[in-house]
Amino acid sequence: DVKVTQSSRYLVKRTGEKVFLECVQDMDHENMFWYRQDPGLGLRLIYFSYDVKMKEKGDIPEGYSVSREKKERFSLILESASTNQTSMYLCASSSQGSNEKLFFGSGTQLSVL
Amino acid sequence: DAKTTQPTSMDCAEGRAANLPCNHSTISGNEYVYWYRQIHSQGPQYIIHGLKNNETNEMASLIITEDRKSSTLILPHATLRDTAVYYCIVSPISSGSARQLTFGSGTQLTVLP
Repeated sequence: DVKVTQSSRYLVKRTGEKVFLECVQDMDHENMFWYRQDPGLGLRLIYFSYDVKMKEKGDIPEGYSVSREKKERFSLILESASTNQTSMYLCASSSQGSNEKLFFGSGTQLSVL
Repeated sequence: DAKTTQPTSMDCAEGRAANLPCNHSTISGNEYVYWYRQIHSQGPQYIIHGLKNNETNEMASLIITEDRKSSTLILPHATLRDTAVYYCIVSPISSGSARQLTFGSGTQLTVLP
């Protein structure tokens, strides 16, 4: 069964801390994505990557950075966490082609206190 | 501008067919219709997609009208585990399209015992 695994299901951090969210996929997908989901706002794309060491800003990249050193792993970094970054974070991956279905992880609920 | 319109919520009796409608009147000839669902506290899950022909897989059937301006997702025998938010999305048939998937508000389907 195909899998996108996020390292933590729940995470509690303090304001100003550096936070790493890890995502690993086992499908040899080229594309990987980070979204956040907030009530009433739907899923919003933070960053995506279409190849190792390549990254593109999504719709809300401010306050975030990403790293993709290996094809299977895509990390989201909050350099200095703030309370407005409390959210559900979802990682996804897809192959490249005319039909790019997204496969999602289970999500990380991050609370910044 | 929203590319799809879905009812906010629907109920369905367990064991009966659930028919979820979606309007996409501005769809272009080079766009797929995708359906995803999101069970509470999980990441979205791909269900099915289609271009102009009806499609069926192990999860659901997708009926697209001849003019392609609307579609219906059919869960033939709904179970309590099908309770979820269902998203109808249109997306180009092209590489890089996954980046453009926009998850709106969807339809909250509640399957009642």
